[in-house]
Amino acid sequence: DSGVTQTPKHLITATGQRVTLRCSPRSGDLSVYWYQQSLDQGLQFLIQYYNGEERAKGNILERFSAQQFPDLHSELNLSSLELGDSALYFCASSPEGGGSNYGYTFGSGTRLTVV
Amino acid sequence: GQQVMQIPQYQHVQEGEDFTTYCNSSTTLSNIQWYKQRPGGHPVFLIQLVKSGEVKKQKRLTFQFGEAKKNSSLHITATQTTDVGTYFCADYMDSNYQLIWGAGTKLIIKP
Repeated sequence: DSGVTQTPKHLITATGQRVTLRCSPRSGDLSVYWYQQSLDQGLQFLIQYYNGEERAKGNILERFSAQQFPDLHSELNLSSLELGDSALYFCASSPEGGGSNYGYTFGSGTRLTVV
Repeated sequence: GQQVMQIPQYQHVQEGEDFTTYCNSSTTLSNIQWYKQRPGGHPVFLIQLVKSGEVKKQKRLTFQFGEAKKNSSLHITATQTTDVGTYFCADYMDSNYQLIWGAGTKLIIKP
């Protein structure tokens, strides 16, 4: 158990639908990051939050949005889902910016399948 | 923008052989982090290198940061089945708190 909790672990939904992925960061970590990983591909950075504020955006589609709540948990909302959105979605957390001897701590991911 | 090139994409080895993955950049790297992702798993932080020429060891794993801070390598001696997975390097940029990821090298043990 890495300390980062992601739910649900698996999600199957139809095209055009909307889903919400949830992440609870490791205790004490202020930064939350969302990543997308397609089958056997690298990690695509989507968005970062730090202490409730959006800090950086990566290749996040307009159909996707996220937020970090006062208790520091974060949600990633994916709407108007397409087949190509099927992927593993990881949440990671870090104490501050992530440049430390602890790096990022990743959750186990949510596997999204769009049918 | 900053790019981190990682090679090779795949490496097939016999159990007991050595394995090396390389990260390169045309610009100076800030802080290199290495992660391992087991098949079906999530990336796990291994180590961070900060100083030019730095070498760190973790049992059979040796991590190096180049003198010019434009490359880094991870070398595994005498691979074991537990080493199977994808190894990622990432440059942590203090300026914007971002990790710039390499594409990963997949270590495959030949049967």
